[in-house]
Amino acid sequence: AQSVTQLGSHVSVSEGALVLLRCNYSSSVPPYLFWYVQYPNQGLQLLLKYTSAATLVKGINGFEAEFKKSETSFHLTKPSAHMSDAAEYFCAVANTGNQFYFGTGTSLTVIP
Amino acid sequence: NAGVTQTPKFQVLKTGQSMTLQCAQDMNHEYMSWYRQDPGMGLRLIHYSVGAGITDQGEVPNGYNVSRSTTEDFPLRLLSAAPSQTSVYFCASSSTSGGYNEQFFGPGTRLTVL
Repeated sequence: AQSVTQLGSHVSVSEGALVLLRCNYSSSVPPYLFWYVQYPNQGLQLLLKYTSAATLVKGINGFEAEFKKSETSFHLTKPSAHMSDAAEYFCAVANTGNQFYFGTGTSLTVIP
Repeated sequence: NAGVTQTPKFQVLKTGQSMTLQCAQDMNHEYMSWYRQDPGMGLRLIHYSVGAGITDQGEVPNGYNVSRSTTEDFPLRLLSAAPSQTSVYFCASSSTSGGYNEQFFGPGTRLTVL
């Protein structure tokens, strides 16, 4: 069975500081991993995905994530936070049947 | 392409009423799904479909019915609404198979059951 744990339901960073959002997964098979972003009153948009190619995955808006099998982690990072990054971020794991399992989300606040 | 569309955007129901949330996609995706989003619980899968005529239950299917008569449409029916079904509902679609295809989400329907 697959599951995802996102540590920290709320994260605050100063503008220009490093963003680090944590995600750990549980999967009995090599996983497909995703990060989605949700802006207020909108649906989810894909930031990036890991599908067993390169372990460092680059996404949109300067975000990237590194797949670490030994740590069962897929943390999301961005070197320098921007005010427009304020949103809710969801980590998800998918199985080969296309069923997605989402984490509970992390709300990112960027302080000017 | 319009992508994934959902109607209505907002809905208020009284306990016991029924309604259908509409979802349509124009990307010829085989896989479609319904999620509900509740504070502190992320998105939970209600029902999904891997193609026309095929549906299956997700994590929280009770109180909801679905059907898939065409590739494009995947309506979600609430037969007798309950306050516990107050939530934001998202429809999503993706290409067939693999699990490595991203899901495209609609804008959501915000449902309140009084």
